[in-house]
Amino acid sequence: TQLLEQSPQFLSIQEGENLTVYCNSSSVFSSLQWYRQEPGEGPVLLVTVVTGGEVKKLKRLTFQFGDARKDSSLHITAAQPGDTGLYLCAGPDYGGSQGNLIFGKGTKLSVKP
Amino acid sequence: ETGVTQSPTHLIKTRGQQVTLRCSSQSGHNTVSWYQQALGQGPQFIFQYYREEENGRGNFPPRFSGLQFPNYSSELNVNALELDDSALYLCASSLKRGSSYNEQFFGPGTRLTVL
Repeated sequence: TQLLEQSPQFLSIQEGENLTVYCNSSSVFSSLQWYRQEPGEGPVLLVTVVTGGEVKKLKRLTFQFGDARKDSSLHITAAQPGDTGLYLCAGPDYGGSQGNLIFGKGTKLSVKP
Repeated sequence: ETGVTQSPTHLIKTRGQQVTLRCSSQSGHNTVSWYQQALGQGPQFIFQYYREEENGRGNFPPRFSGLQFPNYSSELNVNALELDDSALYLCASSLKRGSSYNEQFFGPGTRLTVL
């Protein structure tokens, strides 16, 4: 069974601080996605990483896919209150053959002004 | 381009009742997946519909069923509701090409409360 474990589960920081959240698995994934979800809303796709070792940047957010494609990290520089939300990592189940996503439980980030 | 829409936004039912949730896929997409997200958890895959047929199912009992229509919209039906069915139900659409995985785009969800 493919599982994605995210850490930390909760993170509360002050505006301007940097942070890193992690997504780990014992299984290899063909790709991993990061989503941000706000209360009462559906997840919004931030990025997809496909190649082992890949680094993608989205403004103040930096995403990295592990060399072995078993883990990923999200680093936020100079966090802002607008970054508050639930950050979810997800990957295709069974290499995508069934077309569904496996999600981690998420990291709930709160950025205080 | 219209994104994924879901209705209703919120729903309150009592134990034992039946419920139907609706989803309109994003323009140009042909596949709809349904997920259940309990409070404090990540979404869990229920099933996927492609070409009006079920194309993969997660670990959910048969009282969870669905449909996909020729316009690619979809319904999720849950019979004999239980308290644990209370959750946010998410619909995601994608464009399936062959056997490769394609990015899924989520709707805002339907919040179901079972009393």
